[in-house]
Amino acid sequence: DAGVTQSPTHLIKTRGQHVTLRCSPISGHKSVSWYQQVLGQGPQFIFQYYEKEERGRGNFPDRFSARQFPNYSSELNVNALLLGDSALYLCASSFGDRGDGETQYFGPGTRLLVL
Amino acid sequence: KQEVTQIPAALSVPEGENLVLNCSFTDSAIYNLQWFRQDPGKGLTSLLLIQSSQREQTSGRLNASLDKSSGRSTLYIAASQPGDSATYLCAVFYGNNRLAFGKGNQVVVIP
Repeated sequence: DAGVTQSPTHLIKTRGQHVTLRCSPISGHKSVSWYQQVLGQGPQFIFQYYEKEERGRGNFPDRFSARQFPNYSSELNVNALLLGDSALYLCASSFGDRGDGETQYFGPGTRLLVL
Repeated sequence: KQEVTQIPAALSVPEGENLVLNCSFTDSAIYNLQWFRQDPGKGLTSLLLIQSSQREQTSGRLNASLDKSSGRSTLYIAASQPGDSATYLCAVFYGNNRLAFGKGNQVVVIP
């Protein structure tokens, strides 16, 4: 079975542009989460979606938005890119949305460079 | 706010030695805890999930312990191999599927 897939793998943008990142969860998984990992740091939580509804949002500005589609795939959008948005963007999926957390499976990430 | 600390940031061990990686968290009212491995420039590979009601979880050469009262988890890797060289990340669930991560322990196993 395929794991979590993300596209594109790498992306170069300039300041002020907009970017869309895509994630396909493991087949049967209904929860998708997004994380930002800056070099040398641990990943930071951005969004969680379950059954197409936003279940959580981290401490990120409104320039960041996301959505989940009926097939449970997800998009992360970032507007008005800043140099500080350069990072590895990771997507994670799990089957459900247990209150105490269930095993998260991560994709390979999208490396975004903002010039 | 849940804060997760992993010390030391980097360590080297000779092949065959046991690895001991420590993780501490500030809020003992955590839910579950998950350990990951990350190779340079890659995504995260899940190693173990330890539930908040458990004290230990084992998978092959890996063993993770959890002590909520002291705010600590430890990952043991027995008989380390050069292929174990990677960054190991500890993450705590703080609500549904939301994870708070440490910065990781960068491990080098010397042949």
